[in-house]
Amino acid sequence: IQLTQSPSSLSASVGDRVTITCRASQGISSYLAWYQQKPGKAPKLLIYAASTLQSGVPSRFSGSGSGTDFTLTISSLQPEDFATYYCQQLNNFPPYTFGQGTKLEIK
Amino acid sequence: QVQLVQSGAEVKKPGASVKVSCKASGYTFTSYDINWVRQATGQGLEWMGWMNPNSGNTGYAQKFQGRVTMTRNTSISTAYMELSSLRSEDTAVYYCARGPGSRNYAFDIWGQGTMVTVSS
Repeated sequence: IQLTQSPSSLSASVGDRVTITCRASQGISSYLAWYQQKPGKAPKLLIYAASTLQSGVPSRFSGSGSGTDFTLTISSLQPEDFATYYCQQLNNFPPYTFGQGTKLEIK
Repeated sequence: QVQLVQSGAEVKKPGASVKVSCKASGYTFTSYDINWVRQATGQGLEWMGWMNPNSGNTGYAQKFQGRVTMTRNTSISTAYMELSSLRSEDTAVYYCARGPGSRNYAFDIWGQGTMVTVSS
């Protein structure tokens, strides 16, 4: 299964609402996770099962979708949200495929 | 607290092998799979394989089959990833990650990463 994220990069301002999409090459039910990665750090789990917020993650993050089309939304960007975001499918294994990433930069 | 702590950076010559360790603490080591994911500089995340610490069962990405071996020592709650026949393209940060678990079906805990540099 291949995952295609769009856009590959994105410039936005603090306070903006941002949406990142992840499309799977075949249906994966809701077996999709989203991660945030900052430079020099390990990825951090944000959302699992397509829409369930991991404990401790701010509520401005949300996820939706099922089947082949998924979205990650940040409702009001904060300075600490500028990072690279990855989706991952956990339905068809192996492998546990990752998307190519979306780099979110400050405008 | 729940954490995975990896071994330190390695520098290897082409053709050599590297073995990276991942020590678990704060939870029952045998209750969650351990996965290995690597990331070349400026590139995305690449899943390499998984191991069930309870049974020792493993599964590897096709790309790494024949070159990677994942093992564990349950007495010290440590997982290992050994990659052989190293080439320059294997230069990357290697992460271990726990999961997926029954509560949150994803990789919820990650090690800090181990930089492996392959250079003559």
